Amino acid sequence: AQTVTQSQPEMSVQEAETVTLSCTYDTSESDYYLFWYKQPPSRQMILVIRQEAYKQQNATENRFSVNFQKAAKSFSLKISDSQLGDAAMYFCAYRSATAGANSKLTFGKGITLSVRP
Amino acid sequence: DTGVSQDPRHKITKRGQNVTFRCDPISEHNRLYWYRQTLGQGPEFLTYFQNEAQLEKSRLLSDRFSAERPKGSFSTLEIQRTEQGDSAMYLCASSLERQRGWETQYFGPGTRLLVL
Repeated sequence: AQTVTQSQPEMSVQEAETVTLSCTYDTSESDYYLFWYKQPPSRQMILVIRQEAYKQQNATENRFSVNFQKAAKSFSLKISDSQLGDAAMYFCAYRSATAGANSKLTFGKGITLSVRP
Repeated sequence: DTGVSQDPRHKITKRGQNVTFRCDPISEHNRLYWYRQTLGQGPEFLTYFQNEAQLEKSRLLSDRFSAERPKGSFSTLEIQRTEQGDSAMYLCASSLERQRGWETQYFGPGTRLLVL
């Protein structure tokens, strides 16, 4: 079974600064997808960024980028130029790409990010 | 595209009562998922549908839980004889299956259940 670990329960960043959120995972599969989801307080979860395991190039979406290290099974999220609206809980998630596999997401415990004005 | 909606948003019930939640996915999404999220934890998979077929159920889904997706549109999740341990946020997500399996799950706002 796959597991996702987010070992930092909370992080804080100054507005306009850069912050990196860590995530590691464990799997015996070679083909899979990784995601970062954002869950603002009392609001629904939205996708921030996604990465396909077979792609070596790290994904980027505006101020959000990932550092994907497949051998180390590490998938960190970097938020540049942090904004107050970035304050939320962030979840790292894994999904198998194996044909016929359940397409469920396996989530980490999440990290609460606060942004200081 | 109006997004995934869930009803009710909040439910308070007494132990032993039955509750039913509804999820309306994004139209034309053929996959629908149910997750449960307890305080301070990430969502955990419960079950999922492809069209009207329920393809997998987690071991977390005890016999008191049942889910349906008639006609492959909306879905309902029923919990019978609720227990205090059922208190959680129940999240629904939908997605459109694509070639190579590259799909994004879109989440609803959730139904927060409190069992007294």
